[in-house]
Amino acid sequence: KQEVTQIPAALSVPEGENLVLNCSFTDSAIYNLQWFRQDPGKGLTSLLLIQSSQREQTSGRLNASLDKSSGRSTLYIAASQPGDSATYLCAVRGELSDTGRRALTFGSGTRLQVQP
Amino acid sequence: EPEVTQTPSHQVTQMGQEVILRCVPISNHLYFYWYRQILGQKVEFLVSFYNNEISEKSEIFDDQFSVERPDGSNFTLKIRSTKLEDSAMYFCASSYRGDWMNTEAFFGQGTRLTVV
Repeated sequence: KQEVTQIPAALSVPEGENLVLNCSFTDSAIYNLQWFRQDPGKGLTSLLLIQSSQREQTSGRLNASLDKSSGRSTLYIAASQPGDSATYLCAVRGELSDTGRRALTFGSGTRLQVQP
Repeated sequence: EPEVTQTPSHQVTQMGQEVILRCVPISNHLYFYWYRQILGQKVEFLVSFYNNEISEKSEIFDDQFSVERPDGSNFTLKIRSTKLEDSAMYFCASSYRGDWMNTEAFFGQGTRLTVV
């Protein structure tokens, strides 16, 4: 059974810092990995999707990397801003099965606070 | 920008009552999902739906749960007889716009279900 772990659980940084959020997964047979942002009491906003054949994806100040063989992904946030404060979730999707695309398995998230 | 919409945003129901949570997925998406998040816990997969049938479900999705796509646009989750432990945020998601490689999941804002 796939297990996804995210460290740290919480992180507080001053504005302007570059930071790295970590995600690890136990079963390397994944189809893709997706990073989400969740604001308190709100839904999930997709940030980046990395296919299993890719090493990294970039969107603005965000860069996500994937090392499938070692079961790790990192989300790099450059020049953090107070508006980046949220919980960041990592989720992996298993390889295609006969019944269709497998569901996402989520980590517990990293709660980020960027101090102005 | 297209988005997944869910109604209601918050529902309070008495234990034992039936509830129906509604979702309008992104048009021309083919896969639909329900996830839930109990307060303070991970986002958990409930069920996926494709081609008018369930393609995958978790052990949480027992006989008390059912899903339906009644009219080609709405996607509903019904809980027949709610229990206190069904209290959670329920998220609808959709993915797969016909591009084989693109399984990015887009989530709605959620319905907070409170069972009293």
